[in-house]
Amino acid sequence: ETGVTQTPRHLVMGMTNKKSLKCEQHLGHNAMYWYKQSAKKPLELMFVYNFKEQTENNSVPSRFSPECPNSSHLFLHLHTLQPEDSALYLCASSRDLDYQETQYFGPGTRLLVL
Amino acid sequence: GIQVEQSPPDLILQEGANSTLRCNFSDSVNNLQWFHQNPWGQLINLFYIPSGTKQNGRLSATTVATERYSLLYISSSQTTDSGVYFCAVEYTPLVFGKGTRLSVIA
Repeated sequence: ETGVTQTPRHLVMGMTNKKSLKCEQHLGHNAMYWYKQSAKKPLELMFVYNFKEQTENNSVPSRFSPECPNSSHLFLHLHTLQPEDSALYLCASSRDLDYQETQYFGPGTRLLVL
Repeated sequence: GIQVEQSPPDLILQEGANSTLRCNFSDSVNNLQWFHQNPWGQLINLFYIPSGTKQNGRLSATTVATERYSLLYISSSQTTDSGVYFCAVEYTPLVFGKGTRLSVIA
């Protein structure tokens, strides 16, 4: 247990569906992150939030929409996804937005888009 | 951008064997971390090691920042060590290598 939880753990959705991924951290951290891990590719950083404010958006398509209502919760809203969006989506948190801080990862949501 | 290369890409070990995983990076960095992703996908931070050597049980890591590489040593491997090992460097933001997939067989 790393103190970061993600739900659901598995998700299958059609290209016309709308779904949301949820991340919650119990570590009192101020920074939260969404990563995408596709097969045989390095982890890709998608979004970064610091004190609920988005600080980075690494050229992520608009069909992915993040939301951070407070420092403990992070959502990733999904709509009209493509099959190539199938991947493991990992949430992480760190004490501060300093990349020297250790990032703690959740177990991930394995997403399959049909 | 910075390149992070890990080797070997795949490794199969007999239980009890030792191994060394390598991470090379193409530019100066302030931070390097090693992660273990277990077969269920969860990513666990192992070491934050921008330079020097650290040890944690059967695992140890060494980073030689001036020569732009880091090594992860696993001694007396166990089946629970199986998974993918990533190194990640701080280059605003963290940049991950492709990982080394380790399988430890009994």
